[in-house]
Amino acid sequence: NAGVMQNPRHLVRRRGQEARLRCSPMKGHSHVYWYRQLPEEGLKFMVYLQKENIIDESGMPKERFSAEFPKEGPSILRIQQVVRGDSAAYFCASSPTGQGNSPLHFGNGTRLTVT
Amino acid sequence: QKEVEQNSGPLSVPEGAIASLNCTYSDRGSQSFFWYRQYSGKSPELIMFIYSNGDKEDGRFTAQLNKASQYVSLLIRDSQPSDSATYLCAVGRGGADGLTFGKGTHLIIQP
Repeated sequence: NAGVMQNPRHLVRRRGQEARLRCSPMKGHSHVYWYRQLPEEGLKFMVYLQKENIIDESGMPKERFSAEFPKEGPSILRIQQVVRGDSAAYFCASSPTGQGNSPLHFGNGTRLTVT
Repeated sequence: QKEVEQNSGPLSVPEGAIASLNCTYSDRGSQSFFWYRQYSGKSPELIMFIYSNGDKEDGRFTAQLNKASQYVSLLIRDSQPSDSATYLCAVGRGGADGLTFGKGTHLIIQP
Protein backbone atom coordinates (compact mmCIF):
# COMPACT_ATOMS: atom_id res chain seq x y z
CA ASN A 1 0.00 0.00 0.00
CA ALA A 2 1.66 3.19 -1.19
CA GLY A 3 -0.76 5.52 0.57
CA VAL A 4 -0.33 7.56 3.74
CA MET A 5 -0.36 5.19 6.68
CA GLN A 6 -1.55 6.23 10.11
CA ASN A 7 -1.74 4.20 13.27
CA PRO A 8 -3.43 3.45 15.45
CA ARG A 9 -6.85 3.96 13.83
CA HIS A 10 -8.48 4.35 17.22
CA LEU A 11 -6.83 5.37 20.47
CA VAL A 12 -8.45 5.64 23.89
CA ARG A 13 -6.63 7.43 26.67
CA ARG A 14 -7.59 8.50 30.17
CA ARG A 15 -7.13 12.10 31.17
CA GLY A 16 -3.51 12.79 32.04
CA GLN A 17 -2.05 10.03 29.87
CA GLU A 18 0.08 10.49 26.79
CA ALA A 19 -1.07 9.88 23.23
CA ARG A 20 1.31 9.05 20.39
CA LEU A 21 0.04 9.16 16.84
CA ARG A 22 2.16 7.87 13.97
CA CYS A 23 2.21 8.70 10.29
CA SER A 24 4.21 7.29 7.40
CA PRO A 25 3.92 9.45 4.28
CA MET A 26 3.38 8.20 0.77
CA LYS A 27 6.44 6.76 -0.89
CA GLY A 28 8.50 9.57 -2.32
CA HIS A 29 6.87 12.23 -0.13
CA SER A 30 9.04 13.99 2.43
CA HIS A 31 6.57 16.66 3.55
CA VAL A 32 4.09 15.85 6.29
CA TYR A 33 1.16 17.85 7.62
CA TRP A 34 -0.96 17.17 10.69
CA TYR A 35 -4.57 18.34 10.90
CA ARG A 36 -7.18 18.00 13.64
CA GLN A 37 -10.89 17.63 12.98
CA LEU A 38 -13.55 18.04 15.63
CA PRO A 39 -17.07 16.68 15.02
CA GLU A 40 -18.99 18.85 12.54
CA GLU A 41 -15.89 21.02 12.09
CA GLY A 42 -13.43 21.50 9.29
CA LEU A 43 -9.82 20.43 9.27
CA LYS A 44 -7.58 22.65 11.36
CA PHE A 45 -3.91 22.86 10.42
CA MET A 46 -1.56 21.97 13.25
CA VAL A 47 1.99 21.48 12.00
CA TYR A 48 4.06 21.02 8.85
CA LEU A 49 7.29 19.02 8.93
CA GLN A 50 10.00 17.89 6.60
CA LYS A 51 12.53 15.23 7.51
CA GLU A 52 14.17 16.30 10.79
CA ASN A 53 12.68 19.82 10.58
CA ILE A 54 9.57 21.57 11.82
CA ILE A 55 8.67 24.10 9.15
CA ASP A 56 5.47 25.60 10.54
CA GLU A 57 3.91 24.79 13.90
CA SER A 58 1.66 27.84 14.06
CA GLY A 59 -1.49 25.74 14.41
CA MET A 60 -0.28 23.57 17.24
CA PRO A 61 -1.00 24.44 20.89
CA LYS A 62 2.15 25.61 22.63
CA GLU A 63 1.72 23.30 25.58
CA ARG A 64 1.39 19.51 25.70
CA PHE A 65 1.63 19.05 21.90
CA SER A 66 4.80 18.22 19.99
CA ALA A 67 5.65 16.73 16.63
CA GLU A 68 8.68 15.21 15.01
CA PHE A 69 9.66 13.64 11.72
CA PRO A 70 12.98 11.85 12.22
CA LYS A 71 15.39 10.90 9.49
CA GLU A 72 14.28 7.31 9.82
CA GLY A 73 10.77 6.21 10.71
CA PRO A 74 7.35 7.79 10.81
CA SER A 75 6.27 11.24 11.87
CA ILE A 76 4.99 11.31 15.46
CA LEU A 77 2.39 13.65 16.95
CA ARG A 78 2.64 13.51 20.71
CA ILE A 79 0.04 14.83 23.12
CA GLN A 80 1.04 14.83 26.77
CA GLN A 81 -1.39 14.90 29.70
CA VAL A 82 -4.43 14.57 27.44
CA VAL A 83 -7.69 16.31 28.33
CA ARG A 84 -11.23 15.61 27.09
CA GLY A 85 -10.98 18.51 24.66
CA ASP A 86 -8.22 16.66 22.80
CA SER A 87 -10.76 14.09 21.62
CA ALA A 88 -10.85 14.45 17.85
CA ALA A 89 -9.79 12.86 14.59
CA TYR A 90 -6.18 13.57 13.77
CA PHE A 91 -5.27 13.36 10.09
CA CYS A 92 -1.85 13.23 8.58
CA ALA A 93 -1.27 14.26 4.98
CA SER A 94 1.79 14.15 2.79
CA SER A 95 2.96 16.04 -0.26
CA PRO A 96 5.85 15.57 -2.67
CA THR A 97 6.91 19.20 -2.74
CA GLY A 98 5.66 20.99 0.34
CA GLN A 99 4.49 23.87 -1.80
CA GLY A 100 1.02 25.26 -1.16
CA ASN A 101 -0.01 24.47 -4.73
CA SER A 102 0.59 20.76 -4.30
CA PRO A 103 -2.37 18.53 -3.37
CA LEU A 104 -2.27 16.84 0.01
CA HIS A 105 -2.89 13.12 0.30
CA PHE A 106 -4.51 12.09 3.55
CA GLY A 107 -4.18 9.03 5.72
CA ASN A 108 -7.18 7.34 7.32
CA GLY A 109 -6.73 9.26 10.52
CA THR A 110 -6.46 8.41 14.20
CA ARG A 111 -9.60 8.82 16.28
CA LEU A 112 -8.52 9.84 19.75
CA THR A 113 -10.99 9.48 22.60
CA VAL A 114 -10.08 10.82 26.02
CA THR A 115 -12.13 9.40 28.87
CA GLN B 1 -6.48 35.61 9.27
CA LYS B 2 -7.06 33.27 6.35
CA GLU B 3 -10.68 32.16 6.14
CA VAL B 4 -12.52 29.78 3.87
CA GLU B 5 -16.31 29.90 4.02
CA GLN B 6 -18.78 27.26 2.90
CA ASN B 7 -22.48 26.81 3.45
CA SER B 8 -22.72 23.88 5.83
CA GLY B 9 -25.98 22.60 4.33
CA PRO B 10 -27.33 20.06 4.12
CA LEU B 11 -27.75 20.61 0.41
CA SER B 12 -30.33 18.22 -0.97
CA VAL B 13 -30.28 17.44 -4.70
CA PRO B 14 -32.37 14.89 -6.64
CA GLU B 15 -30.53 12.06 -8.31
CA GLY B 16 -29.48 12.95 -11.85
CA ALA B 17 -29.51 16.71 -11.23
CA ILE B 18 -26.55 19.09 -10.99
CA ALA B 19 -25.17 19.74 -7.51
CA SER B 20 -23.51 23.13 -7.07
CA LEU B 21 -21.17 23.69 -4.13
CA ASN B 22 -19.74 27.10 -3.35
CA CYS B 23 -16.77 28.45 -1.43
CA THR B 24 -15.38 31.91 -0.74
CA TYR B 25 -11.96 32.76 0.65
CA SER B 26 -10.51 35.84 2.30
CA ASP B 27 -6.81 35.70 1.38
CA ARG B 28 -6.20 37.48 -1.94
CA GLY B 29 -2.77 35.89 -2.09
CA SER B 30 -4.30 32.43 -2.50
CA GLN B 31 -3.05 30.60 -5.55
CA SER B 32 -4.26 27.01 -5.32
CA PHE B 33 -7.74 25.66 -4.73
CA PHE B 34 -8.82 22.15 -3.92
CA TRP B 35 -12.03 20.21 -3.44
CA TYR B 36 -12.02 17.17 -1.16
CA ARG B 37 -14.81 14.71 -0.53
CA GLN B 38 -15.19 13.19 2.92
CA TYR B 39 -17.56 10.37 3.75
CA SER B 40 -18.69 10.11 7.35
CA GLY B 41 -15.94 8.64 9.50
CA LYS B 42 -13.49 8.55 6.62
CA SER B 43 -10.53 10.62 5.49
CA PRO B 44 -10.68 13.46 2.94
CA GLU B 45 -10.23 12.37 -0.65
CA LEU B 46 -8.99 14.77 -3.34
CA ILE B 47 -11.60 15.38 -6.06
CA MET B 48 -10.34 18.36 -8.04
CA PHE B 49 -7.77 21.13 -7.94
CA ILE B 50 -7.62 24.37 -9.91
CA TYR B 51 -5.04 27.12 -10.11
CA SER B 52 -6.26 29.45 -12.89
CA ASN B 53 -9.41 31.47 -13.41
CA GLY B 54 -12.09 29.69 -15.37
CA ASP B 55 -13.42 26.17 -15.50
CA LYS B 56 -11.70 22.82 -15.17
CA GLU B 57 -13.59 19.65 -16.00
CA ASP B 58 -12.87 16.08 -14.92
CA GLY B 59 -15.58 13.57 -15.72
CA ARG B 60 -18.78 14.58 -13.91
CA PHE B 61 -16.96 17.24 -11.91
CA THR B 62 -16.27 20.85 -12.88
CA ALA B 63 -14.33 23.27 -10.73
CA GLN B 64 -14.82 26.98 -11.33
CA LEU B 65 -12.51 29.72 -10.07
CA ASN B 66 -13.02 33.48 -10.00
CA LYS B 67 -10.09 35.12 -8.24
CA ALA B 68 -11.50 38.63 -8.61
CA SER B 69 -14.56 37.58 -6.63
CA GLN B 70 -12.54 35.22 -4.39
CA TYR B 71 -14.95 32.46 -5.22
CA VAL B 72 -14.53 28.83 -6.15
CA SER B 73 -17.24 26.31 -6.90
CA LEU B 74 -17.69 22.64 -7.67
CA LEU B 75 -20.38 21.32 -9.99
CA ILE B 76 -21.35 17.66 -9.96
CA ARG B 77 -23.35 16.60 -13.00
CA ASP B 78 -25.66 13.59 -13.08
CA SER B 79 -25.57 13.35 -9.29
CA GLN B 80 -25.55 9.86 -7.82
CA PRO B 81 -26.48 8.70 -4.30
CA SER B 82 -22.82 7.74 -3.88
CA ASP B 83 -21.95 11.44 -4.19
CA SER B 84 -23.63 12.03 -0.83
CA ALA B 85 -20.81 13.22 1.42
CA THR B 86 -19.27 16.34 2.91
CA TYR B 87 -17.30 18.42 0.40
CA LEU B 88 -14.39 20.41 1.75
CA CYS B 89 -12.97 23.44 0.00
CA ALA B 90 -9.25 24.06 0.65
CA VAL B 91 -7.08 27.01 -0.29
CA GLY B 92 -3.30 27.43 -0.43
CA ARG B 93 -0.98 30.37 -0.92
CA GLY B 94 1.58 28.51 -2.96
CA GLY B 95 4.36 28.80 -0.40
CA ALA B 96 5.36 26.49 2.40
CA ASP B 97 1.98 26.69 4.10
CA GLY B 98 -0.55 24.10 4.93
CA LEU B 99 -3.89 24.35 3.20
CA THR B 100 -6.73 26.22 4.88
CA PHE B 101 -9.95 24.24 4.87
CA GLY B 102 -13.58 25.31 5.05
CA LYS B 103 -15.95 23.47 7.36
CA GLY B 104 -17.49 21.65 4.44
CA THR B 105 -20.90 21.37 2.80
CA HIS B 106 -22.98 18.28 3.53
CA LEU B 107 -24.46 17.09 0.22
CA ILE B 108 -27.38 14.66 0.09
CA ILE B 109 -28.39 13.12 -3.23
CA GLN B 110 -31.98 11.92 -3.03
CA PRO B 111 -32.76 8.74 -5.04
